[in-house]
Formats: sequence, structure tokens, C-alpha cells
Amino acid sequence: GDSVTQTEGLVTLTEGLPVMLNCTYQSTYSPFLFWYVQHLNEAPKLLLKSFTDNKRPEHQGFHATLHKSSSSFHLQKSSAQLSDSALYYCALSDGDMGYKLTFGTGTSLLVDP
Amino acid sequence: EAGVTQSPRYAVLQEGQAVSFWCDPISGHDTLYWYQQPRDQGPQLLVYFRDEAVIDNSQLPSDRFSAVRPKGTNSTLKIQSAKQGDTATYLCASSGTKNTLYFGAGTRLSVL
Repeated sequence: GDSVTQTEGLVTLTEGLPVMLNCTYQSTYSPFLFWYVQHLNEAPKLLLKSFTDNKRPEHQGFHATLHKSSSSFHLQKSSAQLSDSALYYCALSDGDMGYKLTFGTGTSLLVDP
Repeated sequence: EAGVTQSPRYAVLQEGQAVSFWCDPISGHDTLYWYQQPRDQGPQLLVYFRDEAVIDNSQLPSDRFSAVRPKGTNSTLKIQSAKQGDTATYLCASSGTKNTLYFGAGTRLSVL
């Protein structure tokens, strides 16, 4: 079946440093990939989703590139902000089969001043 | 545009009690999802509907959980006899034509 792997449970870094959160996936088709962000006691909110035409999605300074050859969709940002502290989930969708999402286990990002 | 609305926000039960969760999706969204999110884990799909029809309920514990969406709008998820292992946040989400899920704030369930 489909699966999403996020290898880091917790990432801690200092404000201003670059961010990279890893995401790899397994799927028998060509899925859509997503990053969701969840702040404490809030619902997950969409941060980014992959495009079918290989464009690089960007939002709030975050970007991610879908690499089909390595089945990866790593999340990056050039300079972390304190407000970026949250839980980040990578997810994939079966697209044509109803858009249901399969989530990874999540990575907690903690940005220190 | 109003988001996905869920109620109640919190529920505390003893084992064996029943509980229902209610969800009002974004207007016009034909697909509605129920996810279970145990503490410190990612959301896991329980069931989803397109309009009033169940598309996939393979992960729904059928002996105690049930979900309906009778008119293709609001939905109710019910746990008949709760267990401690059901302690989690229950998230409702909806989607329209753009392959993007929008989540509600969730119902946090504690089973003692």
C-alpha cells in the first residue's frame, strides 16, 4: 500500500538558519504530495502541494520539490522564524481515487531565538 | 467562506459509553472525511463519503464505529461502546474539485 516516511521526529534549530524536513514516499502510481502544518491545538492546514507540471510550490517562504526518481518531497525554507515552530506532516493523495490522504508520522519543528 | 465546523470540541467518557461527533463541511464540498489522530501520531483515515455514499470505510472498526452522511452535507461519527484505545482527536475534513482537504478543529476524545 501507499506510505509516507518522515525520518525526523523532532528538529530543533536557531532562528535564521535554513530548514529542511525530509519526506519520502512509496506508491504504485504517481500521487500528489502535500505538506500540512499543525500548530498546537489547531487543525492541520495545507502548506504546499505538488504540481503535475513539475513547478515548485512555494508558500510563506517554504518550498518543496517533487523528485519522482527518489520518491521525495522535502520541505525547505531558507531562514527559520520563531512562528514556524509547529508539527509538519507530509502526505500523499491517490488523486483520481477520491483525494484521500495518507499521512506520515510528522516532524516537530522547534525554532529557538 | 466558512470552514469545516465540528462539535463538540472535547468529550470525556468512561469505557463502554457512547459518543457522537458532528461535522458540517465547507458548502459545496462533495467529499467528506473522518480521520483519527492519536496523540503524537499523524491522522489516519477512518471513512470518507462522496455526497451521501460511503466510498471507503475499510479502516472503520465496524463493530463499534459508525458514520453517516444522509443528505450529502453534514455527517455524524458515532462510537457505540468506547474503549481507552479510542482516545484521540477526531478530525473531519472536506474537499471539492481541487484535490485539497480542509480540516476542522477536531474533537478531542478522552476515554477513562
